[in-house]
Amino acid sequence: KNQVEQSPQSLIILEGKNCTLQCNYTVSPFSNLRWYKQDTGRGPVSLTIMTFSENTKSNGRYTATLDADTKQSSLHITASQLSDSASYICVVRMDSSYKLIFGSGTRLLVRP
Amino acid sequence: DVKVTQSSRYLVKRTGEKVFLECVQDMDHENMFWYRQDPGLGLRLIYFSYDVKMKEKGDIPEGYSVSREKKERFSLILESASTNQTSMYLCASRTGGYNSPLHFGNGTRLTVT
Repeated sequence: KNQVEQSPQSLIILEGKNCTLQCNYTVSPFSNLRWYKQDTGRGPVSLTIMTFSENTKSNGRYTATLDADTKQSSLHITASQLSDSASYICVVRMDSSYKLIFGSGTRLLVRP
Repeated sequence: DVKVTQSSRYLVKRTGEKVFLECVQDMDHENMFWYRQDPGLGLRLIYFSYDVKMKEKGDIPEGYSVSREKKERFSLILESASTNQTSMYLCASRTGGYNSPLHFGNGTRLTVT
């Protein structure tokens, strides 16, 4: 069954600290994996996309990794800010298909 | 920036009512989508449209229909609202490329009583 699982479900960290969010998938055939950030009361916004050949990609303080062999991805947030408080959603696209498989998200709260 | 606008942020409807959720995008995107988002579940696809007057069922189309008469507008219709359709509804659009990101509206929170 094609699934995307994210961990932890929720996370609380202090401002300035780093954190890592995990995404494991069993989607096949795999095309790409995208991380979205969803602020409270807003729609998700794309942070980054990882394709099969990419291991690491950075977008400011956000760094995504992909291990296609183990079917795992992570999103690392460096020097967290209050504005990083949001839900982070991992989405995997199946190859040659419109089909997207969504994880249920990790809710991050950054406290001052 | 792409803007996807959903006409209502909050809606409260009664069981059995016909409900219209409207979505407009301003970037001439070919593809438009309707998702619902429930706590603890990933976004689930209700319907999508590749082009004007075209529609395809997603994973959970039962109880819903859609209309796309113009490229920029995609409407979700609940023919007879039920309490299990209480949810957050998200509209999204994107260009025709498979790798292009979805651009989401800010959602409509529908409560059916």
